[in-house]
Amino acid sequence: QSALTQPASVSGSPGQSITISCTGTSRDVGGYNYVSWYQHHPGKAPKLMIYDVSNRPSGVSNRFSGSKSGNTASLTISGLQAEDEADYYCSSYTSTSTYVFGTGTKVTVL
Amino acid sequence: QVQLQESGPGLVKPSETLYLTCTVSGGSISGYYWSWIRQPPGKGLEWIGYIYYSGSTSYNPSLKSRVTISVDTSKNQFSLKLSSVTAEDTAVYYCSRYHSTGLDYWGQGTLVTVSS
Repeated sequence: QSALTQPASVSGSPGQSITISCTGTSRDVGGYNYVSWYQHHPGKAPKLMIYDVSNRPSGVSNRFSGSKSGNTASLTISGLQAEDEADYYCSSYTSTSTYVFGTGTKVTVL
Repeated sequence: QVQLQESGPGLVKPSETLYLTCTVSGGSISGYYWSWIRQPPGKGLEWIGYIYYSGSTSYNPSLKSRVTISVDTSKNQFSLKLSSVTAEDTAVYYCSRYHSTGLDYWGQGTLVTVSS
């Protein structure tokens, strides 16, 4: 299975909104509402930010939101803050009952 | 608060087998899916596989021939076995729990280096 495609990097100024895309196929992202997003600060464990496309776990800021259209899912971070600088990964359930991660996106706060 | 802790050797020789165990505390292993994920140095996250508490499994096709994930509900642990390792298996290995289809609790990760 191939990794889902994400942009290598996205940047924005404090207070701005940014969107990270995650492109797959009809056999993964497009076929199921089972996309999740993770924030990963180097040296720490990844943190679940969004699950089932658009659901936020308890404790995650409402500045983070998820959506999906066709084979592409998106994570939007609004009101960008310095602490949001991290690597972000999407993940999707697949038609073979496995999961696959995205290639990862480095978010830089200018 | 659920906590996960990976344990196992930090150094494995090429062609040998990697064994890691994840101990779950603060909650029961029953009723959930549990997963192993790894991150090679300088690279992204890679899904290795999952196990349901009852023992059913699913593996990454690229690793399927070398991977076994098992569970011991009496010890609240699940384990990873990866055979015939090479330098490409050098990575930080994480264990995690599924909440619906998202991984909500993670261990801190353990670095496993494959080298003679």
